[in-house]
Amino acid sequence: EAQVTQNPRYLITVTGKKLTVTCSQNMNHEYMSWYRQDPGLGLRQIYYSMNVEVTDKGDVPEGYKVSRKEKRNFPLILESPSPNQTSLYFCASSLRLGGTDTQYFGPGTRLTVL
Amino acid sequence: DQQVKQNSPSLSVQEGRISILNCDYTNSMFDYFLWYKKYPAEGPTFLISISSIKDKNEDGRFTVFLNKSAKHLSLHIVPSQPGDSAVYFCAARTWGNDYKLSFGAGTTVTVRA
Repeated sequence: EAQVTQNPRYLITVTGKKLTVTCSQNMNHEYMSWYRQDPGLGLRQIYYSMNVEVTDKGDVPEGYKVSRKEKRNFPLILESPSPNQTSLYFCASSLRLGGTDTQYFGPGTRLTVL
Repeated sequence: DQQVKQNSPSLSVQEGRISILNCDYTNSMFDYFLWYKKYPAEGPTFLISISSIKDKNEDGRFTVFLNKSAKHLSLHIVPSQPGDSAVYFCAARTWGNDYKLSFGAGTTVTVRA
């Protein structure tokens, strides 16, 4: 089954404790992206990756890091989480955007930073 | 500053009637528009899209209309069904940047039986 998986689905942590949210896709997609969803703001892009070892900033990259060492994995790293990073996070992948290529989203990770 | 705006946070509609969701944008460099649907505890799923060179795209019960001069698009769902109750996001892609999508805040649709 074609899918994007994220782990963990739920996470409560404390300020400053480094964490990683994993994302994996089994569709051999080149493009992957991370979004955060906040009330009244919709989905905002954090980082995206066009292929292995190629990443770029989205609209809200501050406080986040990513890496793309393998095509299927795109982890999101919070080196020193702060309460304003409490949010719902989605990972997505696609061959490319536009045309018939659509983004497939993971189920989301609910992060709370105390 | 949000470049894609969905000014109606919620919409309630009777089953069988038409649902009309609206989306406005400010960036004239957007060349491709998409609608996503999201159920609680799930990720968004692609619904329908339209290129800026078209003014209408239809897929079953879903039709998207684009008015470039007004920088406005709308999604029509006819007839509305209970399973359509979800959050709908409008999104837009910038010409020349295939990898970046800008999303609206979403509209929660409730279909009443």
